[in-house]
Amino acid sequence: DIQMTQSPSSLSASVGDRVTVTCRASQSISSYLNWYQQKPGKAPNLLIYAASSLQSGVPSRFSGSGSGTDFTLTISSLQPEDFATYYCQQSYRTPWTFGQGTKVEIK
Amino acid sequence: QVQLVESGGGVVQPGRSLRLSCAASGLTFSRHAVHWVRQAPGKGLEWVAAISNDGSNKYYADADSVKGRFTISRDNSKNTAYLQMSNLRAEDTAVYYCAREVSGGCDPWGQGTLVTVSS
Repeated sequence: DIQMTQSPSSLSASVGDRVTVTCRASQSISSYLNWYQQKPGKAPNLLIYAASSLQSGVPSRFSGSGSGTDFTLTISSLQPEDFATYYCQQSYRTPWTFGQGTKVEIK
Repeated sequence: QVQLVESGGGVVQPGRSLRLSCAASGLTFSRHAVHWVRQAPGKGLEWVAAISNDGSNKYYADADSVKGRFTISRDNSKNTAYLQMSNLRAEDTAVYYCAREVSGGCDPWGQGTLVTVSS
């Protein structure tokens, strides 16, 4: 299985901060990398697909980059509604696998 | 709008079986693969299984977790996907989500259904 490792596991940030979450795959996955946001008690929501494509309806402050094994999710200016847990997921090969999650908390 | 609704969760004893359903609306169901993902209490997301749009291809998480115990299926005439779970274990306790595959990701997801395996 392809292992996905996110860092950090959690972070504290303030409204307006630029936030970066990284995801590393155990082998090359080309650009088959997705990012999800999950709020407590809710289902995940797709933010970014194919490493850098913004899902329809997702604010432009979210962006993704990377290819191969190293990927980044960036929130350019953190908003109150962005406090949540973020997961990366590879769809290069089954079984699809998720990172362990990054919890973004209020500083 | 596209909507997926899971049902069939509940409390079940270890070793018993349960079938989850995922009813879809607002989309041409037969055009999309469907995935099941679960989340144990307080834990991260775990991919469980997927089925192609026509049901001809099925994929499962590895042997130690669900392969051989869980079966994914679909009925395109009913716009519904299923996850048949047998020989349930305490570690299968989780919220189970279904999701449509689109652009190589999962979107949207259903609201989830809780499965609790306990004696």
